[in-house]
Amino acid sequence: EAAVTQSPRSKVAVTGGKVTLSCHQTNNHDYMYWYRQDTGHGLRLIHYSYVADSTEKGDIPDGYKASRPSQENFSLILELASLSQTAVYFCASSDGTGGSYEQYFGPGTRLTVL
Amino acid sequence: GDQVEQSPSALSLHEGTGSALRCNFTTTMRAVQWFQQNSRGSLINLFYLASGTKENGRLKSTFNSKESYSTLHIRDAQLEDSGTYFCAASSSSFSKLVFGQGTSLSVVP
Repeated sequence: EAAVTQSPRSKVAVTGGKVTLSCHQTNNHDYMYWYRQDTGHGLRLIHYSYVADSTEKGDIPDGYKASRPSQENFSLILELASLSQTAVYFCASSDGTGGSYEQYFGPGTRLTVL
Repeated sequence: GDQVEQSPSALSLHEGTGSALRCNFTTTMRAVQWFQQNSRGSLINLFYLASGTKENGRLKSTFNSKESYSTLHIRDAQLEDSGTYFCAASSSSFSKLVFGQGTSLSVVP
């Protein structure tokens, strides 16, 4: 089964500060994704990547950057954190071979911006 | 854009009973996933369907892409089934998922 880990698991940041969330997967998956979940809602896609050194914008990319330095690692960067970015962030990965794109999620990172 | 409408938003079941959750899609979807989000916030994969029906224990899911809906049936509900259930669907080949708003399920004795 897919193994996706995230660090840190929780973080408190100050408004205007820089925040980097990290994701690591050990399943040789090509696709990786970053989602955010606001309290009481479903997840929304921020950025995704289908190959190392390349990232794509998702549905809500404003205020976020992403970096995919290797197949295993995918980072989400908040250059200037804002109160509205308080949320739980999930990383996911999927394979794509054989026509299956089932996504496997990490445990999430709870980010609080003060 | 693509939307996923999930119902009901909340559901209470007595142990041993069952019910169905439903997701309707506003565009043609290629695949659907169902997740349970537990009390710790983790997303547990329940089903991935590109078509048809799958069953796993007390859970069964159906995906009808032509009629743009998917269902998740829970039978013989247990206390540990409590949590929030999400459907998510993809319309593109690389599987960007669009999530429904979730169904909060409470199983009571």
